[in-house]
Amino acid sequence: KQEVTQIPAALSVPEGENLVLNCSFTDSAIYNLQWFRQDPGKGLTSLLLIQSSQREQTSGRLNASLDKSSGRSTLYIAASQPGDSATYLCAPCSTLGRLYFGRGTQLTVWP
Amino acid sequence: DTGVSQDPRHKITKRGQNVTFRCDPISEHNRLYWYRQTLGQGPEFLTYFQNEAQLEKSRLLSDRFSAERPKGSFSTLEIQRTEQGDSAMYLCASSEVGVTDTQYFGPGTRLTVL
Repeated sequence: KQEVTQIPAALSVPEGENLVLNCSFTDSAIYNLQWFRQDPGKGLTSLLLIQSSQREQTSGRLNASLDKSSGRSTLYIAASQPGDSATYLCAPCSTLGRLYFGRGTQLTVWP
Repeated sequence: DTGVSQDPRHKITKRGQNVTFRCDPISEHNRLYWYRQTLGQGPEFLTYFQNEAQLEKSRLLSDRFSAERPKGSFSTLEIQRTEQGDSAMYLCASSEVGVTDTQYFGPGTRLTVL
């Protein structure tokens, strides 16, 4: 069974800092990996998808990397803003289409 | 494209009652997924459909749970004889396999079983 671990569990930073969120997973036989953000009491918003053949994907201030063989992904957030405050979830996807989630990293960016 | 919608957004029920949730995926998305999320945890997979065929079910989906996608469009998730442990956020997602593979989530249905 795929196990997903996200470190740190919580992070509180001042506005403007560059951040690194880490994700590790136990089964490297993945189809792709998605990063999501979740605001309290809401659904999930897709941020980035990295195919298993890719090493990196960028969207605006976000950059995600994937090292499938070692079971690791990293989400880099540049120049953080208070609006980035949310829980960030990493989800490797099995070849059958099932997403596996960790508990996420709860991010607070204060002005 | 209005996104994934779910109805109702909140449901409060008494233990032992049956409840049904509806999910409308993004139009033309051929895959539809159900997940469940309890407080402080990440979502857990329940089941998914490709068109109208239910292709995989998690062991979390006990006999009290049933899901359908009769015409390959909207889906329903029914829970019979609800228990307090069923209290959770039920999330639906859809994707277009072979095009983007990104799973887009709806706002969820918050179930509280008293």
